[in-house]
Amino acid sequence: KQEVTQIPAALSVPEGENLVLNCSFTDSAIYNLQWFRQDPGKGLTSLLLIQSSQREQTSGRLNASLDKSSGRSTLYIAASQPGDSATYLCAAYSGGGADGLTFGKGTHLIIQP
Amino acid sequence: DTAVSQTPKYLVTQMGNDKSIKCEQNLGHDTMYWYKQDSKKFLKIMFSYNNKELIINETVPNRFSPKSPDKAHLNLHINSLELGDSAVYFCASSQGRGGSPLHFGNGTRLTVT
Repeated sequence: KQEVTQIPAALSVPEGENLVLNCSFTDSAIYNLQWFRQDPGKGLTSLLLIQSSQREQTSGRLNASLDKSSGRSTLYIAASQPGDSATYLCAAYSGGGADGLTFGKGTHLIIQP
Repeated sequence: DTAVSQTPKYLVTQMGNDKSIKCEQNLGHDTMYWYKQDSKKFLKIMFSYNNKELIINETVPNRFSPKSPDKAHLNLHINSLELGDSAVYFCASSQGRGGSPLHFGNGTRLTVT
C-alpha cells in the first residue's frame, strides 16, 4: 500500500528566499507524481506532473524533481513571494484501486512579506 | 469560466438524513472523481468514473453512491449520514485515466450533527 509523507508539515520563511519542500513515497512503482497547491477554502490547483521516466519538471519559479529509486520528490520554489503562501501537496499515482492518487498531508507554507 | 464546480459549498445536516452533492465540469474531460478530505487533512480517493465504468475504493461504505447522468456530471449521494461523514468532499476531473493532471472543484464542507 502506497504511503506518501511530506516534510516539513509547516514552513515560514521571509520573502525572496529559495526553498525546498520534500515528499517521500514508500512504493517506488509509481507511474507519475503530481504537486498541487491548496489555498484556504479552495480546491487544489495542479502545479507540476512528473512522469516516472522523467527526472524533473519546471514551471516558472517552480521546479520539481523525482528520484523514483529512492522514493523521493522535491519541489523547489525560487525567489518566494507572499502569494506563494498556501498548502503544497504531493500525490503519487500507482494505478490500481479506484485509480486515484495517494496524497501526502501537505506542507503549510507561509511567506513573510 | 472553464472549471469544475460543485454545489453546495456548505452542507449542514443531521444524522440519519440523506443528502446529495452535485458536480459539473465543462472542461470536456472524460474521467471524474470524488475525494474526501478528513479533519486531519488527508485526501483520499472515493470513486473514479470513466466512460460509464465506476471504480470504487474498497474502504468507501455503500451508503455513498455516485450518479453520473452524463459525462460532464458526477453527483454524490449519501444515505443515512453519520457523524464520521463530516469532511470536505472534492470533485475532480481529468482527461483520461492513469494519473493525468487533475482539476479540482472548490469542495463541499459537510457537517453532520
